[in-house]
Amino acid sequence: KQEVTQIPAALSVPEGENLVLNCSFTDSAIYNLQWFRQDPGKGLTSLLLIQSSQREQTSGRLNASLDKSSGRSTLYIAASQPGDSATYLCAVLARETSGSRLTFGEGTQLTVNP
Amino acid sequence: ETGVTQSPTHLIKTRGQQVTLRCSSQSGHNTVSWYQQALGQGPQFIFQYYREEENGRGNFPPRFSGLQFPNYSSELNVNALELDDSALYLCASSSPWGATYNEQFFGPGTRLTVL
Repeated sequence: KQEVTQIPAALSVPEGENLVLNCSFTDSAIYNLQWFRQDPGKGLTSLLLIQSSQREQTSGRLNASLDKSSGRSTLYIAASQPGDSATYLCAVLARETSGSRLTFGEGTQLTVNP
Repeated sequence: ETGVTQSPTHLIKTRGQQVTLRCSSQSGHNTVSWYQQALGQGPQFIFQYYREEENGRGNFPPRFSGLQFPNYSSELNVNALELDDSALYLCASSSPWGATYNEQFFGPGTRLTVL
């Protein structure tokens, strides 16, 4: 059974700091990995998707890496801003005998202080 | 191109009642998945619908059921509501398998409170 763990559970940083969020998964037979952002009480916004054959993806100040063999991914946020405050969720997509499913970690709650 | 929409946004029910939640998938997407997110936790997979058939199910009891319609919209039905069913219910749509890297796009969710 796939399990996804995110460390740390919560993080508070001053504005402008570069930071790294960590995600690990137990089964390397994944199709892709997505990082999502969730604001309180809201839905999920997809930030980055990395296919299993890729090593990293970049979008603006965000960079996500994937090491499938070791079951790890990191999300790097450069020059953090108060607007980055949210919960960040990592999820892996696996194809199954019937259908496919995302397995999520419990998230990292990020607070960026002005 | 419209995104994934869900209705209603909030719902309050009492224990034992039944509820129906609705989801419209993003244009061009024929696969819809439902997730339950309890407070402070990551979303948990309930089930997936593809071409109007259930196509995979998570560890949820049969009182959680669903439908998908020819226009790919979907419903989640929960019977005999329990207090623990209080959660944010999220719908995700995606393209046919193999297209656009199977990126999942989520709706804003329905917040269900069971009293």
